[in-house]
Amino acid sequence: GENVEQHPSTLSVQEGDSAVIKCTYSDSASNYFPWYKQELGKRPQLIIDIRSNVGEKKDQRIAVTLNKTAKHFSLHITETQPEDSAVYFCAISGTASKLTFGTGTRLQVTL
Amino acid sequence: DTAVSQTPKYLVTQMGNDKSIKCEQNLGHDTMYWYKQDSKKFLKIMFSYNNKELIINETVPNRFSPKSPDKAHLNLHINSLELGDSAVYFCASSQDRGLSYEQYFGPGTRLTVT
Repeated sequence: GENVEQHPSTLSVQEGDSAVIKCTYSDSASNYFPWYKQELGKRPQLIIDIRSNVGEKKDQRIAVTLNKTAKHFSLHITETQPEDSAVYFCAISGTASKLTFGTGTRLQVTL
Repeated sequence: DTAVSQTPKYLVTQMGNDKSIKCEQNLGHDTMYWYKQDSKKFLKIMFSYNNKELIINETVPNRFSPKSPDKAHLNLHINSLELGDSAVYFCASSQDRGLSYEQYFGPGTRLTVT
């Protein structure tokens, strides 16, 4: 079945530094890889996603890279800001209707 | 506002009671979901409906029964509540068409069972 591991579970960076969160998965049929951000007490919201026919996607300060051969994908946040502090979840999907989420990474951006 | 909405936002109840959570989306989406987020923030899918039909039913106690009266609504009824049911329950919806598979989450319902 689908399984996704996410590391690290917590990450503390100084404002302006970069943050990288990695996820590995086991189901080779997975073809959709979104990242969600959940601020404290709020709902998860999609911040970026990538499909299996693309190796990298960038949107301003955030980027996602995918290595299908190695079955891992990563979220990169550059020039971190205090408002980036949140819990980030990776997810995988083989069919559009089911997302399997990673265990989450709590990112703390310190001044 | 176009959105996914849930009621109630908070629910405190005693063990053994039966309670319901309601969800509505006005985004015109075909698929709706229920997720459970526990105290460790693990986000796990429970059910998914597409056009009122159940398509995903994960390993969830049969005390949990979803109902979709139409494709804009997905309610969750829980019988004989237990302490371990305490969590935040999120409803979500998606269109699953073309290039967009984004799931839109509701604000969550924090259920506390005492």
